[in-house]
Amino acid sequence: KQEVTQIPAALSVPEGENLVLNCSFTDSAIYNLQWFRQDPGKGLTSLLLIQSSQREQTSGRLNASLDKSSGRSTLYIAASQPGDSATYLCAVSPGANSKLTFGKGITLSVRP
Amino acid sequence: NAGVTQTPKFRVLKTGQSMTLLCAQDMNHEYMYWYRQDPGMGLRLIHYSVGEGTTAKGEVPDGYNVSRLKKQNFLLGLESAAPSQTSVYFCASSFRGAYNEQFFGPGTRLTVL
Repeated sequence: KQEVTQIPAALSVPEGENLVLNCSFTDSAIYNLQWFRQDPGKGLTSLLLIQSSQREQTSGRLNASLDKSSGRSTLYIAASQPGDSATYLCAVSPGANSKLTFGKGITLSVRP
Repeated sequence: NAGVTQTPKFRVLKTGQSMTLLCAQDMNHEYMYWYRQDPGMGLRLIHYSVGEGTTAKGEVPDGYNVSRLKKQNFLLGLESAAPSQTSVYFCASSFRGAYNEQFFGPGTRLTVL
């Protein structure tokens, strides 16, 4: 059974810092990996989707990398801002028509 | 486009009562999902649908039923609510399963007393 782990559960950084959020998964046979953002009391918003054949995806100040063989993905946030404060979740799928398995998320706080 | 909408936003039930949560999407997505999110447990899949008229069980289906009579709507029913079903419920949709990103609704906060 696939397990997705995100450590630490919470992170606090000063504004302007570049930071990396980690995601690890136990079964490397994944189809793709998605990173989501969740603001308090809100639903999830998809940030980046990386297909298994890709090594990274970029959107603005966000860069997500994928290393299938080691079962790891990282979400890099450049020049963090207080507006980046949220919970970040990663999720993996074993196939195109399969369901996502989610990590429990990392709650990020960016201090002004 | 409204995206994924959920009705109601909040609800309080007494044990044994029934209710239906409605999810609607206007993106012509084939796949729709119902999740529950609980502190310390993360997101867990309740039921999902791969197209109009289809439903399938997820990770935690007991105590819930679903229907997908129209492509744009996915209903989640609780026939006899229990306190263990107190949770935040999220609906999501995607064009073609995990191949595409999932879009989430704003959630329904349900309390069962």
